[in-house]
Amino acid sequence: EVQLVESGGGLVQPGGSLRLSCTASGFTFSSYAMDWVRQAPGKGLEYVSAISSDGGSAYYADSVKGRFTISRDNSKNTLYLQLGSLRAEDMAVYYCARDGGYSSAYPLDYWGQGALVTVSS
Amino acid sequence: DIQLTQSPSFLSASVGDRVTITCRASQGISSYLAWYQQKPGKAPKLLIYAASTLQSGVPSRFSGSGSGTEFTLTISSLQPEDFATYYCQQLNSYPRAFGPGTKVDIK
Repeated sequence: EVQLVESGGGLVQPGGSLRLSCTASGFTFSSYAMDWVRQAPGKGLEYVSAISSDGGSAYYADSVKGRFTISRDNSKNTLYLQLGSLRAEDMAVYYCARDGGYSSAYPLDYWGQGALVTVSS
Repeated sequence: DIQLTQSPSFLSASVGDRVTITCRASQGISSYLAWYQQKPGKAPKLLIYAASTLQSGVPSRFSGSGSGTEFTLTISSLQPEDFATYYCQQLNSYPRAFGPGTKVDIK
């Protein structure tokens, strides 16, 4: 059974940093691209970042470019999102999702349960 | 960037109703479109990809159609568990944006 479990969410002050993790199981993690999608309270889904299966390519939404870094450790079946220079508008539930292929037409077929990031002083 | 719009934003319907949601793209995206269902407090769930391909395990009352710039998600006979918010997503290019969502509520 495919499972994605996020961790690392919490309360952080504006300007602060946080690292989210997403641990995968039930599939060959190193064969899949992975994505992060976020959802602010009461709002819709926002596509944040993607990384290729080997970690060699990454995409960032303009809203997070230069502040967030996506990475992965295929030996640990774990995806990461380093969040920096956090702003109030970054407060959201962050979901990791399995992507059929980087820069491809594959959908996000499995999602984690989400990690809440609260940005407040 | 490709923008997606959905209509309606909100839909009130009864069990057994046929429901249709429309997603429009700001430029042609061939059939590179997916539909997701999200219930409160839960992660989105993939329903349909490549505009019309049903994801494994999704009931056949869900169907998708369209290509280019106009797409539809149809629920042939609404069931109690279908009351949720539905999002389309374009998979043609980055950013792989989502539509703003359509909330389906109980009449």
